[in-house]
Formats: sequence, structure tokens, C-alpha cells
Amino acid sequence: QLVLTQSPSASASLGASVKLTCTLSSGHSTYEIAWHQQQPEKGPRYLMKFNSDGSHSKGDGIPDRFSGSSSGAERYLTISSLQSEDEADYYCQTWVTGNVVFGGGTKLTVL
Amino acid sequence: QVQLVESGGGVVQPGRSLRLSCTASGFTFSSYGMHWVRQAPGKGLEWVAAISFVGSNRYYADSVKGRFTISRDTSKNTLYLQMNTLRPEDTAVYYCAKEGKAYCSGDCYSFDYWGQGTLVTVSS
Repeated sequence: QLVLTQSPSASASLGASVKLTCTLSSGHSTYEIAWHQQQPEKGPRYLMKFNSDGSHSKGDGIPDRFSGSSSGAERYLTISSLQSEDEADYYCQTWVTGNVVFGGGTKLTVL
Repeated sequence: QVQLVESGGGVVQPGRSLRLSCTASGFTFSSYGMHWVRQAPGKGLEWVAAISFVGSNRYYADSVKGRFTISRDTSKNTLYLQMNTLRPEDTAVYYCAKEGKAYCSGDCYSFDYWGQGTLVTVSS
């Protein structure tokens, strides 16, 4: 079964960096994923997509402070130089034909 | 710029029906698959349904299969979600989302734009 696992919460200080993790279920380690940000009381916003060749592409206007990486079944979203507006829920997403799966989301608190 | 604007939400009694709309602009609507995603109060995102760019392929989450129907009208640049036999557990904000790759037939469901959502409350 295709499942994405995220830690429920994370925190880091203003100006620091944080690395959020999304783990693909066993047997699905090569799947592509996307990251989305949801600020309080707003709709989600696309951040970036991880391709199967290891490359990634960002959404319109996403600053360079947001970057991605991967290792095995884990996909990472790193946010550097944290700003107050980065406090949000972050969701990873994957898919197969006929189905879309979201991780449970990570609530990021900027201290 | 790409815009997706949902409408049609409201308060409805259990067992009744509701139709949501998503009006698209800023891109060639007929070239992209579209999806509905919902978010129950205080919960995470849940995928609901998808329709291919030509409208011939439609997919549903098990939780709504047989009750919800996704459709699109290219002449109106509008995506629809017909929701029948509504249940209290269908209460959520419903978002429409656009696929990031044009002319894709399956296995390319990365979303690159989302709407602002419309709230559906199912309650007696």
C-alpha cells in the first residue's frame, strides 16, 4: 500500500534552517513526490516536485530558501533562513494512475 | 496568471445533494487534468477525485465512489463535483487543483496550482 509518512510537528528558530522528512512506504522508494505549503487559513500552495531522475522543479515564485533532496525512500524539504511566514503545514504528495496520496502533514513552528 | 475559483459550498442536510464548481483562468483548461481535494476541519488533505484532460478518465477515492461525480465543461473552463447522498463526514473545505503536466494520461498527478477552497457543511 502506497503511504507517505511525515512527522506531525517540527520547530526551528527565526533565521535558522529546518529539514522536513517525507518517507515513502516499502516498495515505493522510487516514486516521485511533490511538496505543498499551507499557511494558516489559506489554501495549499505548490512548492516543488521531485522527479524520478533526482531532479526537482519549483513552483512559481518559490524562493531559493526552499530546496529539496532525497535519500532512498526519504524525501526532504529544507527551508533555510526561516521567516515568520514559513510557519505553516507542509504536505508531501505522491500518486499512481487513479490515486493520489498525501502525507499527514508536518506543522512547522518558527520560534 | 493561473486562477482557480471554487464556489457552490454551503450547509446541507445529510442525504441531500450539492454541486461544486471550479472556474479556471490563465491557462488552457482543456490541456490539463484536474482534481478535487478536501480537508475536514483540523485535518489533513484527502484526495477526492480526478478527471483527465479530455474528460474520458475519471477516478474516485473509495470514500466517495458511487456518490460523487467529477465532470468538466471546456466551453466554460469549469470543473464540477456533483455530490449526492451527503454524509456528515463529507464536511470539509473542498479545493480544486490543476495538474502540472499538460496532455498527461495518468501517473502525473503533481498539482501546481490550487484554488482557495469552498466549505461544505453536512448537518441536520
